[in-house]
Amino acid sequence: QKEVEQDPGPLSVPEGAIVSLNCTYSNSAFQYFMWYRQYSRKGPELLMYTYSSGNKEDGRFTAQVDKSSKYISLFIRDSQPSDSATYLCAMIRAGSYQLTFGKGTKLSVIP
Amino acid sequence: SAVISQKPSRDICQRGTSLTIQCQVDSQVTMMFWYRQQPGQSLTLIATANQGSEATYESGFVIDKFPISRPNLTFSTLTVSNMSPEDSSIYLCSARQGSQETQYFGPGTRLLVL
Repeated sequence: QKEVEQDPGPLSVPEGAIVSLNCTYSNSAFQYFMWYRQYSRKGPELLMYTYSSGNKEDGRFTAQVDKSSKYISLFIRDSQPSDSATYLCAMIRAGSYQLTFGKGTKLSVIP
Repeated sequence: SAVISQKPSRDICQRGTSLTIQCQVDSQVTMMFWYRQQPGQSLTLIATANQGSEATYESGFVIDKFPISRPNLTFSTLTVSNMSPEDSSIYLCSARQGSQETQYFGPGTRLLVL
């Protein structure tokens, strides 16, 4: 079993929809959780960063961490065509520098 | 957040040759890293670039194949040596500032080996 599992999609939604992106993980030592957005032919861009369990909101984006279920989510409200990108989850153990990434989910928001 | 640039942005190379990729950060950072991103795969850490000393390589990556330099706190290079078509990939530089766990990434170098 891989340490981080992420459905690669592709996921296609109409403009204005609520998008839910998810990752599961197996290692309970992960303490910090991140979401990166990667546009085609660009590097990953840090979108959200959370520590331990709970929710964090930033504009249309909400990151959710459930450590008891080893499950993290990213919600995008009122999705826009400009949200079309690949979304990568990443996580890190306390005291470590090594990020462990999911494979990424490719999202298309159709006008 | 740190702004990271990479050169070249892309290249097409012949097998057996070597390519050096440069990574420049606009501010001093504590740690710099090199990743590989292959189609359909997770980002894979190649090594941590250490200032003034040898890089720390992850399992499956060796210095002879991927020599790395980091002469100061804002610059690093990765060389892909004796290339084969299997080295065709995107190579990404990243940096970590202070004690933050987050990493910021450069735009990547797209390498095609024929």
